[in-house]
Amino acid sequence: GENVEQHPSTLSVQEGDSAVIKCTYSDSASNYFPWYKQELGKGPQLIIDIRSNVGEKKDQRIAVTLNKTAKHFSLHITETQPEDSAVYFCAAGDEYGGYNKLIFGAGTRLAVHP
Amino acid sequence: DTAVSQTPKYLVTQMGNDKSIKCEQNLGHDTMYWYKQDSKKFLKIMFSYNNKELIINETVPNRFSPKSPDKAHLNLHINSLELGDSAVYFCASSQVTPGLAGVGRTQYFGPGTRLTVL
Repeated sequence: GENVEQHPSTLSVQEGDSAVIKCTYSDSASNYFPWYKQELGKGPQLIIDIRSNVGEKKDQRIAVTLNKTAKHFSLHITETQPEDSAVYFCAAGDEYGGYNKLIFGAGTRLAVHP
Repeated sequence: DTAVSQTPKYLVTQMGNDKSIKCEQNLGHDTMYWYKQDSKKFLKIMFSYNNKELIINETVPNRFSPKSPDKAHLNLHINSLELGDSAVYFCASSQVTPGLAGVGRTQYFGPGTRLTVL
């Protein structure tokens, strides 16, 4: 069945360092890959997404890369700040069918230490 | 001006009771979702409605019944609550037009309802 694996489950970095979270997906029909950030006591919030017609997308300190052949996609956060501390989720879905059903990874708890 | 709102935020109840969680979105979206997040933070889709029609129905016990009175509301009713139902339940919404990619497919999540069954 559909599956999204996410690594690592926890990540601890020093302020200013980079953080990388990796995901793999199983459904070859997936063409939409959003990343969500969940702060304590809140709902997940979209931070960036990528579609299968591009290999990389950047928005200030965050970037996503996609390798459709290998079914891998990654989130890169540069110059991390304490406010980046949260749980990050990757997800994969099919924009053309299935009414936007998303399969989520298990999450990565990122801690940025001052 | 909250985009996706849920009530209540916290719900503590006894096993065997029946309870409801309400969700409303003011984004004008045509599709709404219910997700369950367990204690390990795993986020899993339960149901989805598009214009009041059930379109995603994952393997969920029959005790869970979603109801969509209109496309801005999606409520979740749970009968005969069990200990394993304890979790955080998130409502989400998006604008989905079948066949049109890249048209506002972002799912916006509500703040969650923490359900504790004793």
